[in-house]
Amino acid sequence: QQQVKQSPQSLIVQKGGISIINCAYENTAFDYFPWYQQFPGKGPALLIAIRPDVSEKKEGRFTISFNKSAKQFSLHIMDSQPGDSATYFCAASMASGTYKYIFGTGTRLKVLA
Amino acid sequence: GAVVSQHPSRVICKSGTSVKIECRSLDFQATTMFWYRQFPKQSLMLMATSNEGSKATYEQGVEKDKFLINHASLTLSTLTVTSAHPEDSSFYICSAISGGRSYEQYFGPGTRLTVT
Repeated sequence: QQQVKQSPQSLIVQKGGISIINCAYENTAFDYFPWYQQFPGKGPALLIAIRPDVSEKKEGRFTISFNKSAKQFSLHIMDSQPGDSATYFCAASMASGTYKYIFGTGTRLKVLA
Repeated sequence: GAVVSQHPSRVICKSGTSVKIECRSLDFQATTMFWYRQFPKQSLMLMATSNEGSKATYEQGVEKDKFLINHASLTLSTLTVTSAHPEDSSFYICSAISGGRSYEQYFGPGTRLTVT
């Protein structure tokens, strides 16, 4: 029940295309859903995060879509660029869980020039 | 703002020795810090949660006597890998929360530990 399932494991997108990564969770107590970007040999960096009281949040080329009833959320990267090639992790957290994150398994994105 | 540093960035040690990794919040006070371990091409695995001035809470399966965590101040947490073995070789990452009711974790750049 504490798992966060992430798909796909890897993704190849043409430059300018849309990259879509999906995550699903079981525990309805989760109330914070961030997405992180990680380059090889570096620590993760926060891209965007959402709370369950909104269905969509957009920041620049990055959009989170959130479906509370389906317990799913997804990251959309518009106009994907080669510089977006990285590993992306979704996560879920809850205040009652000392704010610790449950991470998804990660998606390796490659954007072709 | 919200910068977290780790030192060292890379360390190589011999089997049986101990290694200390430092995690510092540079521009904020971190009431809670987290330590993660990441194997190649895998996700981040939470090892422990540490709160300033109190004992760390370890995740199931993590040996507390092997991975000693100290959170002595609001800007510094340390992870000591004791009696390291080759299977302890991994990428260790810390993160910090600013304030007691914040969700956002700020991650350090990670420390690559290689045990020979």
